Order: sequence, then structure tokens, then C-alpha cells
Amino acid sequence: GQQVMQIPQYQHVQEGEDFTTYCNSSTTLSNIQWYKQRPGGHPVFLIQLVKSGEVKKQKRLTFQFGEAKKNSSLHITATQTTDVGTYFCAGVSGTYKYIFGTGTRLKVLA
Amino acid sequence: DTAVSQTPKYLVTQMGNDKSIKCEQNLGHDTMYWYKQDSKKFLKIMFSYNNKELIINETVPNRFSPKSPDKAHLNLHINSLELGDSAVYFCASNQQQGTYGYTFGSGTRLTVV
Repeated sequence: GQQVMQIPQYQHVQEGEDFTTYCNSSTTLSNIQWYKQRPGGHPVFLIQLVKSGEVKKQKRLTFQFGEAKKNSSLHITATQTTDVGTYFCAGVSGTYKYIFGTGTRLKVLA
Repeated sequence: DTAVSQTPKYLVTQMGNDKSIKCEQNLGHDTMYWYKQDSKKFLKIMFSYNNKELIINETVPNRFSPKSPDKAHLNLHINSLELGDSAVYFCASNQQQGTYGYTFGSGTRLTVV
């Protein structure tokens, strides 16, 4: 079945450093979404990418969808303590069933 | 205004018991979901309903039975609870399956002792 892996599983950064999480799918995706889950909270939708090679920005966050639509990345510039949480990608192909990635837990040290 | 609300927030129960979790959304979305998040934070889809019709039914034990009385509600009933059922269960909804981002409820932390 379809699998969506994320790396790294954990990342600790000093406040002000950059952070990137990578998402890789075993199948070609129709689109990909990104979510953030704060500790003790629920996943919150951040963005959706649809086109091959698409790049979108939200303030310090940059999202990219690979040319082959099998991978994606989320880059945070100059992390802040409010960026702490687990970042999930979620990809869909074919059956309109989103498969969530394994998640990357980010800790930001002040 | 709570968009997707789940009750209860916490549920502690003994093995073998039957329990229900309720979910309601006031967003007018057509599709609702149940996801299970285990201790390693993996999010796995369990069920999906579109306008009261079951459209996704993953490999979930028969002890789990979803019910959607109308498109704004999706409840989850679990029979004969087992230790391995301990997890956080999230309800979610979106406007159109496969097209729009999900809005998640705040989750129900189920602990089976």
C-alpha cells in the first residue's frame, strides 16, 4: 500500500536556526498537504500543494512539491519557540484517502 | 465557535467495556473522518463518511463501529475494549474528500486499563 515517510523523525534546533523536514511517498501524489500539531494539541492544516514543482510561502515557512510529485519539503527560516510541534505531510493518490506521513517532531531551544 | 467538537476529551475505562465517542461539526462539510494517533504519533485513518455514507473503512477490528446520523455528526462506538485501543482518536472533516484540508477536533484520549 501507499506509504509516506518523513525525515528526520526528530530535530532539535537552537532558536534562530533553520529547519527542514522532508516527505517521501512510495507513489505519485495528486496533491500534498502539511499540518502542524502542537504538543497536546490537534493537527492544524497549514497548506496544500497541487502542481509539480510548486513552491508556496507563508511568512517564514516555505513549502515545496517535487517535480515528480512524490516528495515535498517544509523549510522554516529562523525558528522561533512557537514553531515547536510535530509537522506532518499528508498525501493523496487515487482514492482521495489522505495518508499521513510519519511526522517530524521539532524542538526549539531558546 | 467550535468547528469540530469531540466528546469526551478524556476517557479512562477498563478492558472489556463498551464506549462511544461523539463528534459534531458546524462547518457544513460533506465528509467526516476518524483517525487514530498512537503513542508514536502515527496518524492512521479508520473511517470516512461522505454525506452519511461510509466511503472509507480501513482494516479496523469489527469492534469499532462508526455511525453517522446526519452529515454533521460522526460517532464512534467501540465494543470490548482492549489495552491496544489506548490512543488519541481524532475526528476531522473537510468540504470535499481529496481536495481540501482537514479541520480536526481536539481529540479524545482513550486509556484502557
